[in-house]
Parts: sequence; structure tokens; C-alpha cells
Amino acid sequence: GENVEQHPSTLSVQEGDSAVIKCTYSDSASNYFPWYKQELGKRPQLIIDIRSNVGEKKDQRIAVTLNKTAKHFSLHITETQPEDSAVYFCAAGEPRNSGYSTLTFGKGTMLLVS
Amino acid sequence: SAVISQKPSRDICQRGTSLTIQCQVDSQVTMMFWYRQQPGQSLTLIATANQGSEATYESGFVIDKFPISRPNLTFSTLTVSNMSPEDSSIYLCSVDAGLFDETQYFGPGTRLLVL
Repeated sequence: GENVEQHPSTLSVQEGDSAVIKCTYSDSASNYFPWYKQELGKRPQLIIDIRSNVGEKKDQRIAVTLNKTAKHFSLHITETQPEDSAVYFCAAGEPRNSGYSTLTFGKGTMLLVS
Repeated sequence: SAVISQKPSRDICQRGTSLTIQCQVDSQVTMMFWYRQQPGQSLTLIATANQGSEATYESGFVIDKFPISRPNLTFSTLTVSNMSPEDSSIYLCSVDAGLFDETQYFGPGTRLLVL
């Protein structure tokens, strides 16, 4: 099955700096890569995703890049703000029969913006 | 995106008992998923629930321990059976955004403590 590695496990940045979180995956059949933000005691919230036919996607201060050859993808947050402090999870989506995909999550990165 | 609710939001249970968690969506969805998030850990998929068929369980999870129902396109239940303290976790349901859309949205979760 799929295995997703995520680094770093914690990341501390100063407000206004950029933050980068990196993930690798093992299954070349995976074709969907979402990023979730989870604040303490809250549900995971989808913040951005990318599909395997795209190399980069941006949404305001957030961007995701994908390198299918190397099987790695990254989350970039620019101009970080204190409200960006949370745990971020990457995931890889594997297509299954019947037209759905299952997600395998990385272990998460705790981002602290001070 | 769909509005997803779960009941109960939290519970404290005695070992050996069972708890059924409900997941309700405000619109029809194709697939519903059940995850476990142990304290301070990542999310692990337990099973996928499709209406009209048996749930598909991931490696390490069995139907006897985590029976799942999916009676219609807006509702699913997960039962945690014969609980032990190791079952203390947050249990989350998620739904997909549509057939052939991999996007998943999560419910608020059920915090379970087993004593």
C-alpha cells in the first residue's frame, strides 16, 4: 500500500517568513495530493490540492508543487501569519475500483508562527 | 461543500462496551469514509462505506471490531465494539465531493475515551 513521509515534524517561523513542508509518496499510481490544516480540537480542513497532471497550483499565499518523477510534493506558505499556526497534513490519493480514491496521510507538521 | 455532522461529539465509555457513532450529511454523497486519529497522531483510514454494499476495510481493521452501516446516501454509522483503552481516539467521517472527485471533506469528529 501507499506510504507517505512528511517533513519536518515541527516548524517554527517568524511572522512574515515563508514556510515549506515536504512530502514523499511511494505508490506511482497515486494521482491526487491534498493538504489539510487542523487546528487544535477542530476537524481537518482542505486548504489546497493538486492532481497529477499539474505541476504547481497557487491560492493566494499558499502554493503546492508536485514532482511525479521524484514522487514528492511540497506546500509553500508565504507571508506567514499567527493564524497559520496549526498542524498540516499531506496526503496521497490512490484510485480504487468503482471510481473513488482513498487517502493515505503523512504524520503531520506542527507549524508555529510567532 | 457538504455540511457534515457527527453524533456523539464525545463520549466516555467503559471497556468491554460498544459505541455507535453516526455521520449525517446534508446532501447525497457517493462514498463515506471512516478514519481514526489517535491522540497527537495522523489520520488512518478504517474503511470506506458505499451504499448498498459491504464496507471495504483497510489492513489492520476488521468488521467484527468496527462494523459499519450505510443505509442511504446521506448517513453512515461506525460501531466500535468490545472497547479497550487502546480504542481511545478521535473518529472522523469524511465524504467525497462526487463520483470521480477525490476531494474529501471531514466531519467534526467524535472524541472517545475508554476507561
